[in-house]
Amino acid sequence: KAGVTQTPRYLIKTRGQQVTLSCSPISGHRSVSWYQQTPGQGLQFLFEYFSETQRNKGNFPGRFSGRQFSNSRSEMNVSTLELGDSALYLCASSMTQTNSPLHFGNGTRLTVT
Amino acid sequence: AQSVTQPDIHITVSEGASLELRCNYSYGATPYLFWYVQSPGQGLQLLLKYFSGDTLVQGIKGFEAEFKRSQSSFNLRKPSVHWSDAAEYFCAVGPYTGNQFYFGTGTSLTVIP
Repeated sequence: KAGVTQTPRYLIKTRGQQVTLSCSPISGHRSVSWYQQTPGQGLQFLFEYFSETQRNKGNFPGRFSGRQFSNSRSEMNVSTLELGDSALYLCASSMTQTNSPLHFGNGTRLTVT
Repeated sequence: AQSVTQPDIHITVSEGASLELRCNYSYGATPYLFWYVQSPGQGLQLLLKYFSGDTLVQGIKGFEAEFKRSQSSFNLRKPSVHWSDAAEYFCAVGPYTGNQFYFGTGTSLTVIP
């Protein structure tokens, strides 16, 4: 079974631009979560989608948004990029049961210049 | 409030030596606890999980962890470390409100020959 796939692997953007990251979950997984990983801060929860609905949202500004499609694929968008948005963005999928562990993709490394 | 603390930012051990990585959590309900490992440029891979029952859980790659409710700890151990174990290790607790997990800031492990 294929794992979680994130595209692209690397992105370089300029301040003020916007960016869209994509995530394809493991087949059969309906929950998709996004995390921001930065040195010293660890993984910070962005949001989670389940059956095309945002089920939970972390403490990030409204510039960070996401969506999920009917095939469970998910995208996250960051508008008006800031230097501090440079990070590794990780997508994770899990099964329906609430105690199911997260399965992570390899992430998208975003650099904002 | 929910939180995870990994007191050791960086640990260096000799190959063949034993290893213990510390994790303390704060969680309002019965926790589900996880340890993940991250190699450079990769996503997080699940090492082991604790849901209930036996407080000593076995994971992949020879790792084990012990849940101690009285100490709010879930320490990761390995009897004999291999050079390939060098990576970053994350402890996590959850889920909370949907499928949100809280992660520690990670412990970076260096293995010297």
